[in-house]
Amino acid sequence: SQKIEQNSEALNIQEGKTATLTCNYTNYSPAYLQWYRQDPGRGPVFLLLIRENEKEKRKERLKVTFDTTLKQSLFHITASQPADSATYLCALAMDSSYKLIFGSGTRLLVRP
Amino acid sequence: DTAVSQTPKYLVTQMGNDKSIKCEQNLGHDTMYWYKQDSKKFLKIMFSYNNKELIINETVPNRFSPKSPDKAHLNLHINSLELGDSAVYFCASSHGAGSSYEQYFGPGTRLTVT
Repeated sequence: SQKIEQNSEALNIQEGKTATLTCNYTNYSPAYLQWYRQDPGRGPVFLLLIRENEKEKRKERLKVTFDTTLKQSLFHITASQPADSATYLCALAMDSSYKLIFGSGTRLLVRP
Repeated sequence: DTAVSQTPKYLVTQMGNDKSIKCEQNLGHDTMYWYKQDSKKFLKIMFSYNNKELIINETVPNRFSPKSPDKAHLNLHINSLELGDSAVYFCASSHGAGSSYEQYFGPGTRLTVT
């Protein structure tokens, strides 16, 4: 079955730096990969979606890459701010499936 | 003007009881979901309905029963609650049933079974 690995250790960076979070998956490549943000005590909020035939997607300070050879997606936040501190979840979807498979998330802490 | 709302936000109950969690979305979406997030923060799909029809039914004990009276509502009823049911339950919705659609999540219901 498909497995998703996100770094369970928190990523601690200085404000203004670029944060890079990793999402690795096993087995077959997903048709879609989504990234969500989750704040404590709240539901996840959708950030970006990237398709298997796309290498990169951008939205303001956010950038997602998708490397089907490495079976990996990278999520970048440039010019990070303390308000970016949250847990970031990646989720995979297979083409024939209606469901998303979520990783356990990586917590990002941006120090002022 | 909350997009996806759940009630209650907190639910504390004893083993063996039956409880329900309600979910409503005002986004006009066709598809709704129930997820369970355990203490290790894994978010796992439980059920999904598209236009009131069940399309995802994961390996969930049959003590859990979803009900969708209309496209805007998806309720979750749990019978004979067990300690292991303690978790945060999230409702979500999306415009379509395909996995290419972004999902909008509710605030969650923290269920504690004692």
